[in-house]
Amino acid sequence: DTGVSQDPRHKITKRGQNVTFRCDPISEHNRLYWYRQTLGQGPEFLTYFQNEAQLEKSRLLSDRFSAERPKGSFSTLEIQRTEQGDSAMYLCASSSLDGPGAFFGQGTRLTVV
Amino acid sequence: EDQVTQSPEALRLQEGESSSLNCSYTVSGLRGLFWYRQDPGKGPEFLFTLYSAGEEKEKERLKATLTKKESFLHITAPKPEDSATYLCAVQKRNNDMRFGAGTRLTVKP
Repeated sequence: DTGVSQDPRHKITKRGQNVTFRCDPISEHNRLYWYRQTLGQGPEFLTYFQNEAQLEKSRLLSDRFSAERPKGSFSTLEIQRTEQGDSAMYLCASSSLDGPGAFFGQGTRLTVV
Repeated sequence: EDQVTQSPEALRLQEGESSSLNCSYTVSGLRGLFWYRQDPGKGPEFLFTLYSAGEEKEKERLKATLTKKESFLHITAPKPEDSATYLCAVQKRNNDMRFGAGTRLTVKP
């Protein structure tokens, strides 16, 4: 399978714990996006990388959130001191520089209890 | 402020009843407009990219069109398997992508 891969698919955590999600993009794609989606809403932009450079961050990305893309390959999204409001589907997408569009992974569903 | 608005929020059609979904946008520096299909519990599936006003793309029963202010996704003779949420997204010149809230389509047999 050469699509975008996200791990884990599901995560249940207690409030206050830290969680980390991983995204492996399509191998030749330079751009990588993170989104958050809640039920009945469209994906909300969180952050975007071109190669290893984080070019844009949404105001939604509070200081509890951090994303990295070392060496321009896989990416991680960490949420520190999770809150119940962080419960959502976290989606990763990748695209090439001149590609027709971004391709999404299946997402990581986070539940904070 | 950049905005992407999709209408209607939900649409119920009988099998074979053609209709259109709307995506209106106010974005500075539009680079492209995308349509995605999303099934429950899954990530969005890429359908089309449109780059300039007047452009049209087709795939099976779907056709996407673009003007300077909006895009339409036309569904011809839909089938129950077309039931899904259809998302519109705009890409700005700085390459980030912003989504609308989606249209939830239900096609009844």
